[in-house]
Amino acid sequence: NAGVIQTPRHKVTGKGQEATLWCEPISGHSAVFWYRQTIVQGLEFLTYFRNQAPIDDSGMPKERFSAQMPNQSHSTLKIQSTQPQDSAVYLCASSLDVGDTGQLYFGEGSKLTVL
Amino acid sequence: QQQVRQSPQSLTVWEGETAILNCSYENSAFDYFPWYQQFPGEGPALLIAIRSVSDKKEDGRFTIFFNKREKKLSLHITDSQPGDSATYFCAAHFNTGNYKYVFGAGTRLKVIA
Repeated sequence: NAGVIQTPRHKVTGKGQEATLWCEPISGHSAVFWYRQTIVQGLEFLTYFRNQAPIDDSGMPKERFSAQMPNQSHSTLKIQSTQPQDSAVYLCASSLDVGDTGQLYFGEGSKLTVL
Repeated sequence: QQQVRQSPQSLTVWEGETAILNCSYENSAFDYFPWYQQFPGEGPALLIAIRSVSDKKEDGRFTIFFNKREKKLSLHITDSQPGDSATYFCAAHFNTGNYKYVFGAGTRLKVIA
């Protein structure tokens, strides 16, 4: 049983370019979460989906970040006009369901470096 | 209102000692508190969790102590091993309504043999 799969593992972009990160949740899991990890801030919540519907995107920088979940096996996080401060590890997690039985299973992350 | 704070930022202990990692929160509506363990190059993984109706949760060498009145909790790792060297994240979660997890900034633990 494969875990959460994130691609690419590493991405380097120039300032102003676009970056798209992909996440394949564990099969059968109904919730998908996106977090951004930095040394200073730790794990910052970005957004989450339940049964493919966006539920809470309160952590997303509104102007340049967007997330979609077009089907139950795939979610994307898109960052337009990337800036150096966007450099971080972006983590995707899925859970069987929400609530306190909703253990998060994280992928290994996508490390974004903006030059 | 939704912040979770962890201290210390980093901690070094000798093998066999007890490591104590602290966590506090602001929102009294949080009712579930998992701790996640992360090794370099990997995603965080659930280590142990406690609900706010309990004041203690044990799993082997790992114990959570929870003080609801003070909105504080701590993770105790007894008989620390070099393999415990990792970053530990405290998280908080509502059990109704919005189900997102709010994480602290983490504590980097190093266990020296």
